[in-house]
Amino acid sequence: QKEVEQNSGPLSVPEGAIASLNCTYSDRGSQSFFWYRQYSGKSPELIMSIYSNGDKEDGRFTAQLNKASQYVSLLIRDSQPSDSATYLCAVRDNAGNMLTFGGGTRLMVKP
Amino acid sequence: GAVVSQHPSWVICKSGTSVKIECRSLDFQATTMFWYRQFPKQSLMLMATSNEGSKATYEQGVEKDKFLINHASLTLSTLTVTSAHPEDSSFYICSARDLVRGAGNTIYFGEGSWLTVV
Repeated sequence: QKEVEQNSGPLSVPEGAIASLNCTYSDRGSQSFFWYRQYSGKSPELIMSIYSNGDKEDGRFTAQLNKASQYVSLLIRDSQPSDSATYLCAVRDNAGNMLTFGGGTRLMVKP
Repeated sequence: GAVVSQHPSWVICKSGTSVKIECRSLDFQATTMFWYRQFPKQSLMLMATSNEGSKATYEQGVEKDKFLINHASLTLSTLTVTSAHPEDSSFYICSARDLVRGAGNTIYFGEGSWLTVV
């Protein structure tokens, strides 16, 4: 069974700091990885996608992928209180359709 | 704006009744849609994969006779919770993959539907 693991948190960081969110996955053949942000009571929204080993930067967000270690992370620079949410790591199957989600990490950014 | 729309956003129903939730892809065709359920403070759990023109594929532990899925067109999938019970109260979310936009790598989520069974 494919598994995606995240620390549930909460991860608390002060405003302006870097928040580091981590995720491991079990299916070594996985090719596509996603980070979603979910505010309480709302549907997930896509933050970042990454498909190749290394770093991918988009504004304050950087996704990091290490397929050998089956590890994907999300860094949020200059964290803002509005970044406080649950961050879901998702891995897509090789057929390209189904997402398997981790349990999510709750991030709290304190002013 | 939203490219996958769910309706209704909120629904309260009496125990024993049935509730239908719609998921529409607004500007793309989706041969496959996915239905998730999320209980408070838990992650999304895939319930079933909805396939246009054929039977849905249900995940282990999900009762197909209780959660009826119909995907009659390339832009619409419906989830019907039959004989709903309070334990079915949850946040139901659909998603669909756009095979054209973003090199076919974009999966969009609907806004979600809150179901409360009283």
